[in-house]
Amino acid sequence: SQKIEQNSEALNIQEGKTATLTCNYTNYSPAYLQWYRQDPGRGPVFLLLIRENEKEKRKERLKVTFDTTLKQSLFHITASQPADSATYLCALPSGGSYIPTFGRGTSLIVHP
Amino acid sequence: EPEVTQTPSHQVTQMGQEVILRCVPISNHLYFYWYRQILGQKVEFLVSFYNNEISEKSEIFDDQFSVERPDGSNFTLKIRSTKLEDSAMYFCASSEGQGIDGYTFGSGTRLTVV
Repeated sequence: SQKIEQNSEALNIQEGKTATLTCNYTNYSPAYLQWYRQDPGRGPVFLLLIRENEKEKRKERLKVTFDTTLKQSLFHITASQPADSATYLCALPSGGSYIPTFGRGTSLIVHP
Repeated sequence: EPEVTQTPSHQVTQMGQEVILRCVPISNHLYFYWYRQILGQKVEFLVSFYNNEISEKSEIFDDQFSVERPDGSNFTLKIRSTKLEDSAMYFCASSEGQGIDGYTFGSGTRLTVV
């Protein structure tokens, strides 16, 4: 089955900078990949979907890329704000199911 | 903005007892899910439910667990004979289609087994 790797170390950046988070997977390219935000003690909140035939998706200050050759998705937040501080999860289907499996997430801390 | 509602927000139960976690999915959504998250770990899929039956379940979802849609709005997760290791956040989610366009999660029920 698919192994999903997200950097377990927190990413600390200054307000106004671009945050870039990485999601790597190990096996076959999934049909889609999702990104969620999770705040402490809360459920994940869906942010963006990117499909296997798409290279890039944007939504306001968010941008997701999908490189099936590198088996990697990058998630960018431009002009980051302290309110963007949260854990960001990637999720993708694995094992022949359409149900997404979640990565462990990467914590983003934006300092004022 | 429609939301998924979960009750209770916290539940403390004694080992060996049965608990029922409740969820009200978004009204026009057809697919329902339960996930759990043990403290400090990743969000793990338990079960999906569509058309009044389980459509998929993970290895975690064994005979200790069951789901039900007792009426047109509620979706429940029952955990029998709770164990200490069942302590976790349990999230309900729903989606209009098969969830490719994203799931809407509830705020979760924190279950503590003592």
